[in-house]
Amino acid sequence: NAGVTQTPKFQVLKTGQSMTLQCAQDMNHNSMYWYRQDPGMGLRLIYYSASEGTTDKGEVPNGYNVSRLNKREFSLRLESAAPSQTSVYFCASSTDRGINSPLHFGNGTRLTVT
Amino acid sequence: LAKTTQPISMDSYEGQEVNITCSHNNIATNDYITWYQQFPSQGPRFIIQGYKTKVTNEVASLFIPADRKSSTLSLPRVSLSDTAVYYCLVGGGFGNEKLTFGTGTRLTIIP
Repeated sequence: NAGVTQTPKFQVLKTGQSMTLQCAQDMNHNSMYWYRQDPGMGLRLIYYSASEGTTDKGEVPNGYNVSRLNKREFSLRLESAAPSQTSVYFCASSTDRGINSPLHFGNGTRLTVT
Repeated sequence: LAKTTQPISMDSYEGQEVNITCSHNNIATNDYITWYQQFPSQGPRFIIQGYKTKVTNEVASLFIPADRKSSTLSLPRVSLSDTAVYYCLVGGGFGNEKLTFGTGTRLTIIP
């Protein structure tokens, strides 16, 4: 019963480097989300995918791109990392995007950009 | 979107009942109230959701008065493992993507 799996757990990048954060869910959920959480702050939505084949911007999309590879997988790419992107990144999924579908979160990727 | 206000932090002793109140004066007719729990180094976890009156599950109870301008999460007989941050979210038919996580309430259980 894996739920939502994120890889890697930790990553250190130099400014300007690129990387892709991976997320996979095994609950047959339609909707998937990427959030970031900065110290002492709540979670902010970066991008979401309401269903396979669709992606939309959230509150803080600048500097990121996403790919909904298939129903299970939703990746987040940083093309040119900046220190301001140092954060903990959480992937989540839900049955659908409706409010009655609780979000299921992974355990996060802790990213440091130097 | 309804804005929520909840205490920044709370302390409680083991075995006590803990009530965390969230204010949401601008709640809309189709908004639900949802609570999440987050342990250190983990993603948030769904606790409970309600629309009006009282909802109870194996983990907590949620009390919502008739005017729905506030809600109270009740955790019975807390233990050290209940130390976490608790988020109150208000949203409705616009979808999960419109939910806003605030800074939450940091609950510390004291032995």
